[in-house]
Amino acid sequence: EVQLVESGGGLVQPGGSLRLSCAASGFTFSSYWMSWVRQAPGKGLEWVANIKQDGSEKYYVDSVKGRFTISRDNAKNSLYLQMNSLRAEDTAVYYCARESGSRRRNDYWGQGTLVTVSS
Amino acid sequence: DIQMTQSPSTLSASVGDRVTITCRASQSISSWLAWYQQKPGKAPKLLIYKASSLESGVPSRFSGSGSGTEFTLTISSLQPDDFATYYCQQYNSYFRTFGQGTKVEIK
Repeated sequence: EVQLVESGGGLVQPGGSLRLSCAASGFTFSSYWMSWVRQAPGKGLEWVANIKQDGSEKYYVDSVKGRFTISRDNAKNSLYLQMNSLRAEDTAVYYCARESGSRRRNDYWGQGTLVTVSS
Repeated sequence: DIQMTQSPSTLSASVGDRVTITCRASQSISSWLAWYQQKPGKAPKLLIYKASSLESGVPSRFSGSGSGTEFTLTISSLQPDDFATYYCQQYNSYFRTFGQGTKVEIK
């Protein structure tokens, strides 16, 4: 059974940093692109970033470029999101999701971890 | 970036109704469109991919159609479990984008 479990969320002050983790199991992690998607309270879904199987390609939404870094450790079956210079508008539930198939839709999602940026 | 626009934003319907949600892309995305269902406090669930392919395990009352810039999600006979918010997502570009969502409410 495919499982994605996020961790690392919490309360952080504006300008602070946080590192999210996503532990994957039930599939060959190193064979899949992976994504982070977020959802601000009461709002819709926003794609944040994704990363190729070997980490050689990474893409980000404009609003987080230069502040967030997506990475992975295939030996540990883990996906990460390093978030720096956090802003109030980064407050959201962050989901990790697997990408699969041609052009790669998001077929499995974790339960999400809440990040709150507030003083 | 490719913009995705869903309509309506909210839809009131009764059990047994046929429901249609529309998603428009700001430029052609061929058939690289997915539909997701999300219930409060839960992660999104993939329903449809490549515009019209039904994800394994999803009831056949869900169907998708369209290509290019116009897409629809249809629920042939709305069931109590279907009251939720639905999102379209384009994955033609490396920079994925979602529609703003359509909330399906009980009439």
